[in-house]
Amino acid sequence: AQTVTQSQPEMSVQEAETVTLSCTYDTSESDYYLFWYKQPPSRQMILVIRQEAYKQQNATENRFSVNFQKAAKSFSLKISDSQLGDAAMYFCAYRTLNSGGGADGLTFGKGTHLIIQP
Amino acid sequence: EPEVTQTPSHQVTQMGQEVILRCVPISNHLYFYWYRQILGQKVEFLVSFYNNEISEKSEIFDDQFSVERPDGSNFTLKIRSTKLEDSAMYFCASSESGVLNEKLFFGSGTQLSVL
Repeated sequence: AQTVTQSQPEMSVQEAETVTLSCTYDTSESDYYLFWYKQPPSRQMILVIRQEAYKQQNATENRFSVNFQKAAKSFSLKISDSQLGDAAMYFCAYRTLNSGGGADGLTFGKGTHLIIQP
Repeated sequence: EPEVTQTPSHQVTQMGQEVILRCVPISNHLYFYWYRQILGQKVEFLVSFYNNEISEKSEIFDDQFSVERPDGSNFTLKIRSTKLEDSAMYFCASSESGVLNEKLFFGSGTQLSVL
């Protein structure tokens, strides 16, 4: 079974600084996608960034980037120039194909609560 | 940006009662999902739904649960004979095409409390 582990229940960073959130996963699949979702106080989860397992190049979306280490099964999220609006729960998630060839449900980690200090 | 809407935001029920959680997915989406998050635990996949039938379900989604798209806009999760351990935040999500890399759009959740 696939598992996703986020070892940091909470992280704190000063505004404008850079922070890295850790995520590791366990799978025997070769084709999969990894995601970071943000859950602000409004509770609605929002996709931040995604990475295909076959792509060696790390994904980037503006201030958000990932460090994808496939051999180590690591998928960390880096937030540069942190802003107050980045304060949220961040969930790492994994998705692969099911036995029928369709997309499986997302497998989430427990989340990291990110605090931005002004 | 279009949103997935969930009602109610909070639901309190007595153990043994049936509850129906409601969701309005984004109008042109074809795939619908339910996830739940027990307090302090991971967000867990329950079920995915496409073309008026379940396409995938987890071990959690047993005979106590059912899903339905009763009309062209709503997507519901029914929990029969609720138990204390069903207390959780339930999230509905929808997506366009069900492919592996696509973005899921989540609602703001329904907090279910079983007393």
